[in-house]
Amino acid sequence: DIQMTQSPSSLSASVGDRVTITCRTSQSISTYLNWYQQKPGKAPKLLIYAASSLQRGVPSRFSGSGSGTDFTLTISSLQPEDFATYYCQQSYNFLLFTFGPGTKVDVK
Amino acid sequence: QMQLQESGPGLVKPSETLSLTCSVSGGSISVYYWNWIRQSAEKGLEWIGRIHTSGNTNYNPSLKSRVTMSVDTSNNQFFLKMTSVTAADTAVYYCARDLAGDKFDSWGQGTLVTVSS
Repeated sequence: DIQMTQSPSSLSASVGDRVTITCRTSQSISTYLNWYQQKPGKAPKLLIYAASSLQRGVPSRFSGSGSGTDFTLTISSLQPEDFATYYCQQSYNFLLFTFGPGTKVDVK
Repeated sequence: QMQLQESGPGLVKPSETLSLTCSVSGGSISVYYWNWIRQSAEKGLEWIGRIHTSGNTNYNPSLKSRVTMSVDTSNNQFFLKMTSVTAADTAVYYCARDLAGDKFDSWGQGTLVTVSS
């Protein structure tokens, strides 16, 4: 199995802040890495796929980078609707997709 | 805009079989991969498996012995059956579309399944 870790597990931020979340995998996955946003009571929403490609309709303040085992999701200027939990997911091993444990972004 | 909707019993007794349906609207179920994913506080987001409309399936090895997925293209639905459930199977179950075998771009709203006597 490809193990996923995220850091931090939670963070407090203010509107307008630049926020960076890191995802690390237990083995190299090239750029087979996706990012999702989940709000309470809702399904996850795809934000970034293939490590750095922005899903259609997602604001450009979201960006992703990285390859191999280390990846980053950045929100350039946090907006009120961005307070949520963020998950990474590897698609390198299509026989067992795995998700990170999540990073909760809340109000400072 | 494709929409997915899960349906099925919200309460299942231990040792019984969990059965869920995902109904797809706003497009054809033909082509693409169709997935089941669950979420619990204990395990987080856990991929259960997927089915292609060709009938090919991939299951999470940890659940493989208890899971069966199927698809009904004529009614735009796909299905999950999980046998011998325990309390550890209590979770919100989501169905999700996977366009190219590598990302979940459309999700159902999720349905809570509780395993309890």
